[in-house]
Amino acid sequence: DADVTQTPRNRITKTGKRIMLECSQTKGHDRMYWYRQDPGLGLRLIYYSFDVKDINKGEISDGYSVSRQAQAKFSLSLESAIPNQTALYFCATSDPRGSNTEAFFGQGTRLTVV
Amino acid sequence: EDKVVQSPLSLVVHEGDTVTLNCSYEVTNFRSLLWYKQEKKAPTFLFMLTSSGIEKKSGRLSSILDKKELFSILNITATQTGDSAVYLCARNHGSSNTGKLIFGQGTTLQVKP
Repeated sequence: DADVTQTPRNRITKTGKRIMLECSQTKGHDRMYWYRQDPGLGLRLIYYSFDVKDINKGEISDGYSVSRQAQAKFSLSLESAIPNQTALYFCATSDPRGSNTEAFFGQGTRLTVV
Repeated sequence: EDKVVQSPLSLVVHEGDTVTLNCSYEVTNFRSLLWYKQEKKAPTFLFMLTSSGIEKKSGRLSSILDKKELFSILNITATQTGDSAVYLCARNHGSSNTGKLIFGQGTTLQVKP
């Protein structure tokens, strides 16, 4: 079983619809992140959370919201999806203990907004 | 500007060739630089570099960081078709241990038989 699990893996939705992408992890990490990947742009940070009560905007948070329901769960919502939110979305976790800042990624959710 | 730039953006080689992928950045105060390999979906971790001039090796892959010249390279020797992937370079955002990463655009490597 994957340590970081994203659902759904693929989703097609219509413009204006609300959609939620879910992420759960079994790594026991406090820190969780949502990134989106677009061709030629690498991964960009949308939101991040250092614990259940801590939510922070990343580089491209407009049009998105998040909820940290528990240490292991971090969901990303698009309140009113638009076509330029078509992308590959990744959830990631990291462990602040020790000196490593390596991020562990889920398998990704490919979202298409039509 | 706070950017990570990778070059080349794409590369096609034949099995057995050696490749060097480049990653340059623009700030001096950060905790570590990381390399990831992305084959189909999830990026998988390759290396974390924190000190300048110390090479990290894993099989046919190696990487080194030059903090004075603000770049890192990833070398792959005796390439195989299984090395075909997107290689991502990322650095930590700032010097603290936030785990936030700033990624380059990625280099797409295709290794032909």
